[in-house]
Parts: sequence; C-alpha cells; structure tokens
Amino acid sequence: ETGVTQSPTHLIKTRGQQVTLRCSSQSGHNTVSWYQQALGQGPQFIFQYYREEENGRGNFPPRFSGLQFPNYSSELNVNALELDDSALYLCASSLRRTEAFFGQGTRLTVV
Amino acid sequence: AQKVTQAQTEISVVEKEDVTLDCVYETRDTTYYLFWYKQPPSGELVFLIRRNSFDEQNEISGRYSWNFQKSTSSFNFTITASQVVDSAVYFCALSETGANSKLTFGKGITLSVRP
Repeated sequence: ETGVTQSPTHLIKTRGQQVTLRCSSQSGHNTVSWYQQALGQGPQFIFQYYREEENGRGNFPPRFSGLQFPNYSSELNVNALELDDSALYLCASSLRRTEAFFGQGTRLTVV
Repeated sequence: AQKVTQAQTEISVVEKEDVTLDCVYETRDTTYYLFWYKQPPSGELVFLIRRNSFDEQNEISGRYSWNFQKSTSSFNFTITASQVVDSAVYFCALSETGANSKLTFGKGITLSVRP
C-alpha cells in the first residue's frame, strides 16, 4: 500500500508567477485535502476534493484553485504568487470523514 | 467557529522523563473528532490518534496516552519515559462532522528530548 506522495519537494518561484503542486493519494482514498503551513504555525485548510468535486474551502483567495482526477490524485494551483505564499503545502488523503494521512509536503519559496 | 489552543509552545525534557502536551478546543458541534499528529523535521504529519466526542475513555498505546475530558474541552497527550526520537512538533486538531472533514489545527508544541 503506497502512502501519500507529493511533488516537487522543494520549489522556488518569483513573485507574480504561477505554480502547480501535485499529490497522489493513498491507495483507496477518495478524498484529498490541501493545507498551507507557514513557518512556526499550524496547517491551515485550503480546500478539499471528494470524487473530483470541491467539498469545502477555507479562507483563501480564488487564485488558489485545485483539481482532483478520476484516480483521486490532485493538483493545487496558485496564480499571481505573493511573498506570503511561501510555506509548506501539505496534501492529505482519506476515505470520507476518516483520519487523514499526510504527504511529506512541498516547500514553496517565493522570491 | 472551531478553535484549538495549544498554550505551550516549546517543551524541553531529559530522556526518560514523562511529558504532557496540553490541548484545549472550542466547538459548537455536539459531534466532533479530535486528533494528535506528530511532525518530525522531515515535514510529514504523522497520524497518532483520532477520538470521537462520544468516547471519553482514555487510551494508551505503548508509551503514549491520551486524556479526553469533555467537561473541560481538553484532549491532553502524555509521553511516558520520553526518548530522543520523540523530538518533534506535535499538533492537536479538531474536525467537525459536517459536509467535509477539514481539520482545524493548533499552533503546535515543539518537544525537545535531550539525551
């Protein structure tokens, strides 16, 4: 059974650029959630996808968008990057309403 | 709105000491879940436990134990005979049973276990 994998592990982008982060969910899991973790803080919920539909969104602007594919893998897209978007982005997969298992994260640095 | 407070920010102990990590939560729901996750320096959040609001029984798993008290809205985590490998950031989290299962995390507690 494979766990949650995220790519890339590290990324450096320039302010104003766009970025796509990817997540492969754990085998059999149909729900994927994305979180942003700023340095020294707890993770903040961005949004969740369940069977390819958005199923809840946190307090993040529309330039944060996502997709879930038929195999339940997911992408997080961020447009018009700002310096404050620098953070660890965590993906978590689960069966609906069960405990979430996290990937190792993507460390995004915006310069 | 739901909220999780981890008032301790950093704790340092010597190996073999017992240590308790505190967690206090707020929610308007009568049904909810509480979690603890461990985050080692690698960054991945490691699931430790899930407890639902109807089950106030304390739980023990090896050196780990959890004390859930609904009356004080607390869900504390104790590590007995701590080891250097326990050094990490520990997060308490809350999930309501609405349409989605989003987690609301506390700010985390950095535990350092010295040899």
